[in-house]
Amino acid sequence: KQEVTQIPAALSVPEGENLVLNCSFTDSAIYNLQWFRQDPGKGLTSLLLIQSSQREQTSGRLNASLDKSSGRSTLYIAASQPGDSATYLCAVLVDGQNFVFGPGTRLSVLP
Amino acid sequence: DTGVSQDPRHKITKRGQNVTFRCDPISEHNRLYWYRQTLGQGPEFLTYFQNEAQLEKSRLLSDRFSAERPKGSFSTLEIQRTEQGDSAMYLCASSLGQARGEQFFGPGTRLTVL
Repeated sequence: KQEVTQIPAALSVPEGENLVLNCSFTDSAIYNLQWFRQDPGKGLTSLLLIQSSQREQTSGRLNASLDKSSGRSTLYIAASQPGDSATYLCAVLVDGQNFVFGPGTRLSVLP
Repeated sequence: DTGVSQDPRHKITKRGQNVTFRCDPISEHNRLYWYRQTLGQGPEFLTYFQNEAQLEKSRLLSDRFSAERPKGSFSTLEIQRTEQGDSAMYLCASSLGQARGEQFFGPGTRLTVL
């Protein structure tokens, strides 16, 4: 059974710092990995999608990498801003139709 | 707004009552997913449709839960005889075409069972 973990569970940084969020999964047989952002009480906003054949994706200040063989993905956020404060979730697509989510990393960026 | 929409956004009900939620996916998306999320956890997969066909159901989806997508467009999720343990955020997502497509989520319906 696929299990997804995220480290750290919570993170608080001053504005302007670069930071790395980690996601690990137990079964490397995934179709893709997607990073999401969730604001309190809201739905999920897609940030980046990495197909299983890809190594990384970039969007603005965000860069996500994928190492299937080691079961790891990292989300790098450059020059963090208070507006980046949210919970960040990673999810892996298994069986082509079923996403398994991690518990999330709660990020606070202090002004 | 052309994103995924869900209705209602909030629902408070008494234990034992039935509730129904609606999801309208992005119009050209043929895949539709339902998830449940409890506080401090990531979403858990419940069920998935391709067009009007329900192709997979999680073991989390007890016989009190039923989902439909009658014309391959909007979907409904009904919970019968609600229990306090059903209190959660119910999220809907849709994606286009191929199995590896990016999922887009709606704002969710927060259910509170008293």
